[in-house]
Amino acid sequence: AQSVTQPDIHITVSEGASLELRCNYSYGATPYLFWYVQSPGQGLQLLLKYFSGDTLVQGIKGFEAEFKRSQSSFNLRKPSVHWSDAAEYFCAVGAGSGGYQKVTFGTGTKLQVIP
Amino acid sequence: GAGVSQSPRYKVAKRGQDVALRCDPISGHVSLFWYQQALGQGPEFLTYFQNEAQLDKSGLPSDRFFAERPEGSVSTLKIQRTQQEDSAVYLCASSRRQGLSNQPQHFGDGTRLSIL
Repeated sequence: AQSVTQPDIHITVSEGASLELRCNYSYGATPYLFWYVQSPGQGLQLLLKYFSGDTLVQGIKGFEAEFKRSQSSFNLRKPSVHWSDAAEYFCAVGAGSGGYQKVTFGTGTKLQVIP
Repeated sequence: GAGVSQSPRYKVAKRGQDVALRCDPISGHVSLFWYQQALGQGPEFLTYFQNEAQLDKSGLPSDRFFAERPEGSVSTLKIQRTQQEDSAVYLCASSRRQGLSNQPQHFGDGTRLSIL
């Protein structure tokens, strides 16, 4: 069974600073990997996804993530954080089974942005 | 509709009552998922529908939880004899096609259930 670890529960960065959120996964085959963002009282919005091909994936809102098979990682990055990026971020791994994805989420990293 | 719609947004019930949570997926989406998100946790899979067929209910925590999607569109998650540990946000997601496991899921805003 797949699993996801997000080692940082809470991260605080200054507006304009760079950001990296860590994600490690466990899965026997090539995984489908996702980053979602959740604002308070909202559902999850997909930031980006990796299925195959180029290991550096570009997403919405200026985010990118890099798939590193050797490290079983899929870290999320942004070069310059905006105050509106404050939210909770979830890494997830999907395993195709029976024609659908069974998605397993990490426990999330809450991002605080200070002026 | 334009997105996944869930109702009600908030539900407060007394322990022992039955509740029903509704999900209206994106029009034409074949796959529908229910997740439970406890406070401070990531969403956890409950069940999956492909059209009207419930193909995976391995995540339902007990036989008090029941989900249906009788016409392959709107789905209802029912919880009978609610317990305090059922308090959580219940998220619904849909995706476009069957038979392809690389379809991203689109999430609704969830129903926050509080059991007193």
